[in-house]
Amino acid sequence: SQQGEEDPQALSIQEGENATMNCSYKTSINNLQWYRQNSGRGLVHLILIRSNEREKHSGRLRVTLDTSKKSSSLLITASRAADTASYFCATDAPNFGNEKLTFGTGTRLTIIP
Amino acid sequence: DAGVIQSPRHEVTEMGQEVTLRCKPISGHDYLFWYRQTMMRGLELLIYFNNNVPIDDSGMPEDRFSAKMPNASFSTLKIQPSEPRDSAVYFCASSWGRSNQPQHFGDGTRLSIL
Repeated sequence: SQQGEEDPQALSIQEGENATMNCSYKTSINNLQWYRQNSGRGLVHLILIRSNEREKHSGRLRVTLDTSKKSSSLLITASRAADTASYFCATDAPNFGNEKLTFGTGTRLTIIP
Repeated sequence: DAGVIQSPRHEVTEMGQEVTLRCKPISGHDYLFWYRQTMMRGLELLIYFNNNVPIDDSGMPEDRFSAKMPNASFSTLKIQPSEPRDSAVYFCASSWGRSNQPQHFGDGTRLSIL
């Protein structure tokens, strides 16, 4: 079963608006990563947040992590048409030596020009 | 710098045929992952290698699936015999170091089994 569940499944906003996507997970983690997938392409890494961090920024991206609620959010500010893609959170396994990432179900983001 | 290279990009074949998917990871990366993506099940990890050694193949669905990594620059995922339910997009990804490092994905192989 999926470790991460993104919410909403789909989101459409006007260009220039902010987009927020949420991810919930079930077990404890060391790190949480966010990836973007454009149609017909592979996933591209966006940002990694460690379990001892609460917030991280990268350009127009802001990621928060609440380990007590087992949830994370990805905020894209001042959205552009090029941000149209699916966004996935990925969590690692807490036990040492297990390098698996488990990906969520994804949020399909559409930016309307 | 070249990214992860997968071939073929598209494969259409008939049920029962052998299918071989190929992956060239990024040079210097020591982890290689094979994933399958479908609408119903999302992105699933099939198997991963560390320094060419298979570490966890618990995601391989059946004995019909096998994966090899004969050297640091090449890996194959083989399905024999193929079935229509194997139709999916198969991704290869590589990374350097442990799970606190990003994975770099190829653009996938879209497999259709008729």
